[in-house]
Amino acid sequence: GAVVSQHPSRVICKSGTSVKIECRSLDFQATTMFWYRQFPKQSLMLMATSNEGSKATYEQGVEKDKFLINHASLTLSTLTVTSAHPEDSSFYICSAYREPAGELFFGEGSRLTVL
Amino acid sequence: GEDVEQSLFLSVREGDSSVINCTYTDSSSTYLYWYKQEPGAGLQLLTYIFSNMDMKQDQRLTVLLNKKDKHLSLRIADTQTGDSAIYFCAETPSYSSASKIIFGSGTRLSIRP
Repeated sequence: GAVVSQHPSRVICKSGTSVKIECRSLDFQATTMFWYRQFPKQSLMLMATSNEGSKATYEQGVEKDKFLINHASLTLSTLTVTSAHPEDSSFYICSAYREPAGELFFGEGSRLTVL
Repeated sequence: GEDVEQSLFLSVREGDSSVINCTYTDSSSTYLYWYKQEPGAGLQLLTYIFSNMDMKQDQRLTVLLNKKDKHLSLRIADTQTGDSAIYFCAETPSYSSASKIIFGSGTRLSIRP
């Protein structure tokens, strides 16, 4: 079956540094990928829609300069948390959309801890 | 706007069937999904159903869709300890082929011996 891989699964960084998280679709091409944030014991909050070859579409309230998204190829989207602060600590999950079946597959998630 | 609701907790005895319920508001939903999330992990797609279907069965999983009442359920037969997880119901509307997915709050399923 389809697999979506996220890397790294865990990252700890100092406040003020930037962190990049990768999301790869391993056995299918994904023109559309999504990035979510999940707070403890809560559901997923959609941050942005990543479209291959074009700018990402951000949800209301999500700072595009803070969370940089790059979808450079049909199998890779990256999320960079810039100038990270402790309040950015969270579980970030990506998903990739496989057409035409309409299936949405998720990565394993990346737990970011900002000290 | 779109909304998806689930009860937060469900406790069942090992070997019994679990039924997780979900209601949604968007009558134009195209796909309805069930995802499983184990502690500290991402989401695993369990199954999905097209809005023109009433039922879908896959091994121990049975999905029932009542479009009239906008009600979706996931039945897990012979529930095992490995089924302990949070189960998310989700839907996508029909106006875009890859539009954003709306999630419920998740139902935490716990298994008692």
